[in-house]
Amino acid sequence: KAGVTQTPRYLIKTRGQQVTLSCSPISGHRSVSWYQQTPGQGLQFLFEYFSETQRNKGNFPGRFSGRQFSNSRSEMNVSTLELGDSALYLCASSFGGYSYNEQFFGPGTRLTVL
Amino acid sequence: KNEVEQSPQNLTAQEGEFITINCSYSVGISALHWLQQHPGGGIVSLFMLSSGKKKHGRLIATINIQEKHSSLHITASHPRDSAVYICAVSEGSGNQFYFGTGTSLTVIP
Repeated sequence: KAGVTQTPRYLIKTRGQQVTLSCSPISGHRSVSWYQQTPGQGLQFLFEYFSETQRNKGNFPGRFSGRQFSNSRSEMNVSTLELGDSALYLCASSFGGYSYNEQFFGPGTRLTVL
Repeated sequence: KNEVEQSPQNLTAQEGEFITINCSYSVGISALHWLQQHPGGGIVSLFMLSSGKKKHGRLIATINIQEKHSSLHITASHPRDSAVYICAVSEGSGNQFYFGTGTSLTVIP
């Protein structure tokens, strides 16, 4: 079974631009969660999607948005990029979407904002 | 305010040593996960705990719900155990997790 895939793996953007990141969960998994990891703040929850609906959202500005498609693939979008958005963005999928389900993480997308 | 505190932040051990990493949390939780992150960023889920104790190979994880505390133990540590170990807790039934800052472990041969 293929693991969680994320594209692109690396991305360089400039301030003010927007970016879209993609996450393909393990086949059969309906929950996809997104996380931001920075050296200063560590791992922080962005949002979770389950069966195309956003179930939970972390404490991030509205510039951060996401969606999930009927095949469970998910995208996250960051508009009007700021230098502080430079981070590793990770997605994780789980089968049942419950906190006690095992989480499977993708390799991440490393975003650099110049 | 950090809902999840981990200690120590950094840990260096000799191969073969017994290692303990601690996680304390301040919220009521539905589940606690221990994660392992290797250089390069890949994260692997080691354990999910809602009560008691779990063992997988040389790794043991325990949780005390009343004391809001969990520990990850590595017996007979090996250089391949060198990684960052992260504690994550969820308050509700979904996948909104709060993370500890991580413990960076280096095991020296």
